[in-house]
Amino acid sequence: AQKVTQAQTEISVVEKEDVTLDCVYETRDTTYYLFWYKQPPSGELVFLIRRNSFDEQNEISGRYSWNFQKSTSSFNFTITASQVVDSAVYFCAPRTGSARQLTFGSGTQLTVLP
Amino acid sequence: KAGVTQTPRYLIKTRGQQVTLSCSPISGHRSVSWYQQTPGQGLQFLFEYFSETQRNKGNFPGRFSGRQFSNSRSEMNVSTLELGDSALYLCASSLADEQYFGPGTRLTVT
Repeated sequence: AQKVTQAQTEISVVEKEDVTLDCVYETRDTTYYLFWYKQPPSGELVFLIRRNSFDEQNEISGRYSWNFQKSTSSFNFTITASQVVDSAVYFCAPRTGSARQLTFGSGTQLTVLP
Repeated sequence: KAGVTQTPRYLIKTRGQQVTLSCSPISGHRSVSWYQQTPGQGLQFLFEYFSETQRNKGNFPGRFSGRQFSNSRSEMNVSTLELGDSALYLCASSLADEQYFGPGTRLTVT
């Protein structure tokens, strides 16, 4: 069985602060992908990043960075110097096997205040 | 390149009716997946189609069905609508690993 947990229901920060969104994915599978999506008020899910389970190298892309630790099943996502436009619900979504099926976490509502 | 399009964007139906939602994937994408999003259950996978064949199916009753055409466009159908079917229905297309989502169809069942 697999389980994806986003323990933070809501986070509120002031513009320009850094914010980290937590995700824990528990599975017995050794090969899987982890995705982060953003859902602004318009409703459309926007793809942000993808990581493979066999690659624990942390990366930075612009204001986004992610920290993947397979030993603790954590896949955290950080936004540096947050902006009001970053306000959205952020979903962690793992995928195992060859199927395209994504299993979404419950999401974290991020509010960035001006 | 145009993104994933879904029609209609909004729909109001009466309990017991049926509804058909349409999804046009990104050009060149052959895989189309459907998800249901509700406040109570969150985002749940419905089914995935690839080259006109259903490749994977989520845990939904048989009232939910879908199909894919030779041009990769996909439709999903819900028969005998129930109040609980009110949701945002999202379609996603993919070429490789990433799935790209459309704006969704907001279905309200009264």
